[in-house]
Amino acid sequence: QVQLVESGGGVVQPGRSLRLSCAASGFTFNNYGMHWVRQAPGKGLEWVAVLSYDGSNKYYADSVKGRFTISRDNSKSTLFLQMNSLRAEDTAMYYCAKDGGRNLDYWGQGTLVTVSS
Amino acid sequence: DIVMTQTPLSSPVTRGQPASISCRSSQSLVHSDGNTYLSWLQQRPGQPPRLLIYKISNRFSGVPDRFSGSGAGTDFTLKISRVEAEDVGLYFCMQDTQFPATFGGGTKVEIK
Repeated sequence: QVQLVESGGGVVQPGRSLRLSCAASGFTFNNYGMHWVRQAPGKGLEWVAVLSYDGSNKYYADSVKGRFTISRDNSKSTLFLQMNSLRAEDTAMYYCAKDGGRNLDYWGQGTLVTVSS
Repeated sequence: DIVMTQTPLSSPVTRGQPASISCRSSQSLVHSDGNTYLSWLQQRPGQPPRLLIYKISNRFSGVPDRFSGSGAGTDFTLKISRVEAEDVGLYFCMQDTQFPATFGGGTKVEIK
């Protein structure tokens, strides 16, 4: 069965960096685009970034453009999110999700990022 | 960006009774390929979101048939024919017709 397991979250000071990982299994990873979606505490869902199956196309939400970088290692079935210049408003649960063809058909359990001094 | 507006914010329902959630988009969600990329997600308390419905009315694998989706253009509805205890949680609509993908604000379904 499809499994997505995020890691790398934690507490970080404003302006610092953090790298999230999402280990995938149960499907042919290099055939699918992958997304990051976040959810601030008690709030709704915000799409963050998407990366095509081969890593050639990547797109970002305006709120993170220029600060976050999405990447993948298909040899290790792993998705990454490098987050630089973190702000308090980046505090959220970060989910990776598999692209099911203009829908998000499988989600990981999430990893919590808290930006605080 | 396309704005997705859900109503109601909260829906207290008696177990076994139906529930209905509305989602309205600020622009038509019909893609140039003819499809409408409107999906519904369920988020149980303490859990990640889970895909229920895609392309307006297609139930995802393993989703009970008491869940159904309908609508067209800018107006969409998720219906639960008979609410069960396990249906408690937040429900979100999502569009991926136009970049960037956007979500509705969520509707909380709870048992009276």
